[in-house]
Amino acid sequence: AQKVTQAQTEISVVEKEDVTLDCVYETRDTTYYLFWYKQPPSGELVFLIRRNSFDEQNEISGRYSWNFQKSTSSFNFTITASQVVDSAVYFCALSEASGGSNYKLTFGKGTLLTVNP
Amino acid sequence: DGGITQSPKYLFRKEGQNVTLSCEQNLNHDAMYWYRQDPGQGLRLIYYSQIVNDFQKGDIAEGYSVSREKKESFPLTVTSAQKNPTAFYLCATKGPRVSSGNTIYFGEGSWLTVV
Repeated sequence: AQKVTQAQTEISVVEKEDVTLDCVYETRDTTYYLFWYKQPPSGELVFLIRRNSFDEQNEISGRYSWNFQKSTSSFNFTITASQVVDSAVYFCALSEASGGSNYKLTFGKGTLLTVNP
Repeated sequence: DGGITQSPKYLFRKEGQNVTLSCEQNLNHDAMYWYRQDPGQGLRLIYYSQIVNDFQKGDIAEGYSVSREKKESFPLTVTSAQKNPTAFYLCATKGPRVSSGNTIYFGEGSWLTVV
């Protein structure tokens, strides 16, 4: 069975601080995908990034960066110089890619990030 | 305007009534999903459909029903058998694995409240 754990329920920072959201996953599959989604107060889930299990290269997109480490089964998300508009709930998710289960996206419970001015 | 459209955004239901949430997509994606979101519990899969005229139960299908008569549409009915239906419901689609790597895209969601 697959599982995603986001241990941080809520994080509060002051604008311009850097913040890291943790994500730890469990899967028996050797091929899988990891995702981060952002859910602003409006409710829609916004896709941020997808990584496959064969690509451990870290990725940077503007103020966002992701650190994927298979050795620790972690896929952490860092926001540099946070802004008020970054306030949202962030979800980490896992999708196995083999067999008949490649349909299913398993979510963590989310981390509520509040960036204060 | 492309994407996934859910309606209504807000819906109030009296106990004992069935209600249907609409989900329409123009992304030409084969797979469609319904998730339920409750505070502090993340998202849970209700039903999914990988192709027209076929659908499968997810983790919490009891009290819900779906149909997939057209590729573009995947409506969800919340029946009176669903004991605690008040929640936020999200419809999603998935593109081809080769091009999108199992990425799932979401609609804006529908809030259902039982009164």
